[in-house]
Amino acid sequence: DQQVKQNSPSLSVQEGRISILNCDYTNSMFDYFLWYKKYPAEGPTFLISISSIKDKNEDGRFTVFLNKSAKHLSLHIVPSQPGDSAVYFCAASSRGAQKLVFGQGTRLTINP
Amino acid sequence: DSGVTQTPKHLITATGQRVTLRCSPRSGDLSVYWYQQSLDQGLQFLIQYYNGEERAKGNILERFSAQQFPDLHSELNLSSLELGDSALYFCASSVEPNTGELFFGEGSRLTVL
Repeated sequence: DQQVKQNSPSLSVQEGRISILNCDYTNSMFDYFLWYKKYPAEGPTFLISISSIKDKNEDGRFTVFLNKSAKHLSLHIVPSQPGDSAVYFCAASSRGAQKLVFGQGTRLTINP
Repeated sequence: DSGVTQTPKHLITATGQRVTLRCSPRSGDLSVYWYQQSLDQGLQFLIQYYNGEERAKGNILERFSAQQFPDLHSELNLSSLELGDSALYFCASSVEPNTGELFFGEGSRLTVL
């Protein structure tokens, strides 16, 4: 039962353009959502998060949007840079739970 | 550098064997989490410890066990290994049990032949 889904295994974007990574979830109890970034041979690192009481959170070039009615969130990276090439994981949790539930990841490649 | 240390980085063993993966959390972090990432899969939560006590359990097989010691380091024991246990095993830590930001180690890659 995949409660968090990232349906695009890979995404290729030109440098300077916008990258949009998508994530869908099924568990309506989730109330906190995060994006992690992972480079090869490294562990995932936290990127940005959003609480269910908000629909948008921005941090520099990174913005996360949450659509609770659609159970969908997205990560926008503007402008995309070569250093953004990595695997991006969406994760979700619910209040009181002790674990993050991760999606399968999307490999983002930024082309010069 | 996340401050979380995992050893060994790579491990190759045979089916039926037993291995132990070790994790040292960030200084001051009381919670330790273990995740498994199989090929092309997301990170699957295995188990969480807080200050030496088991706090939450995920899809951890009965052949697997973990513990957190008084010095807060943690070990994940995998026994009767099968080919399907080949995966990246990540340890993460946080200041307290929380549902937010975790700090991950670089992972231990286990290959079962």
